[in-house]
Amino acid sequence: DTEVTQTPKHLVMGMTNKKSLKCEQHMGHRAMYWYKQKAKKPPELMFVYSYEKLSINESVPSRFSPECPNSSLLNLHLHALQPEDSALYLCASSHTPGTGRPGFGYTFGSGTRLTVV
Amino acid sequence: GENVEQHPSTLSVQEGDSAVIKCTYSDSASNYFPWYKQELGKRPQLIIDIRSNVGEKKDQRIAVTLNKTAKHFSLHITETQPEDSAVYFCAASPRSSGSARQLTFGSGTQLTVLP
Repeated sequence: DTEVTQTPKHLVMGMTNKKSLKCEQHMGHRAMYWYKQKAKKPPELMFVYSYEKLSINESVPSRFSPECPNSSLLNLHLHALQPEDSALYLCASSHTPGTGRPGFGYTFGSGTRLTVV
Repeated sequence: GENVEQHPSTLSVQEGDSAVIKCTYSDSASNYFPWYKQELGKRPQLIIDIRSNVGEKKDQRIAVTLNKTAKHFSLHITETQPEDSAVYFCAASPRSSGSARQLTFGSGTQLTVLP
């Protein structure tokens, strides 16, 4: 399996809702990432997990709450979002540096297109 | 932190011609430079990458060059085809922290190959 799987593909939620985005990979990657991408813009890093521990939080508002239950799964819990949070949310994973794998195996999922109404 | 600038923002070429996209980075600690192709509504896909101990890398019609002194790197696509039309992003990554690799992306180039 060489893919990162994200669910759901599309999500519409109200500003008072609570929802979760899910990401799964079975490539043995020990680094997992959440990126946010607005239309016609590059992906922006939100969170980095290294060996299931949060290692980087790029000053993301607390209404986004990441979770890494195990080495294959990454969740992003959403609560009280704003319309400006509407975007494509991309999950990615990569190999541990030093394994000799070309490109660190950095792989993006297909994303969840989130609309906040 | 790292800052990556990418030019041009749009590029139109005739089928069969070459396309060149350029990026500069600010952090001299960055040592990994991937290029991604993103078609409309799809995920970014890695097309080629280069590490700082290499000056040039080629894969069929795609090549990347790196000038560490000037802190810039470029993507070269030869014999362009209509299916090369997409948004291309460069990225830079500093030395890793633990097992993770942060990527800082350039602003993107919309490449259109005209038949």
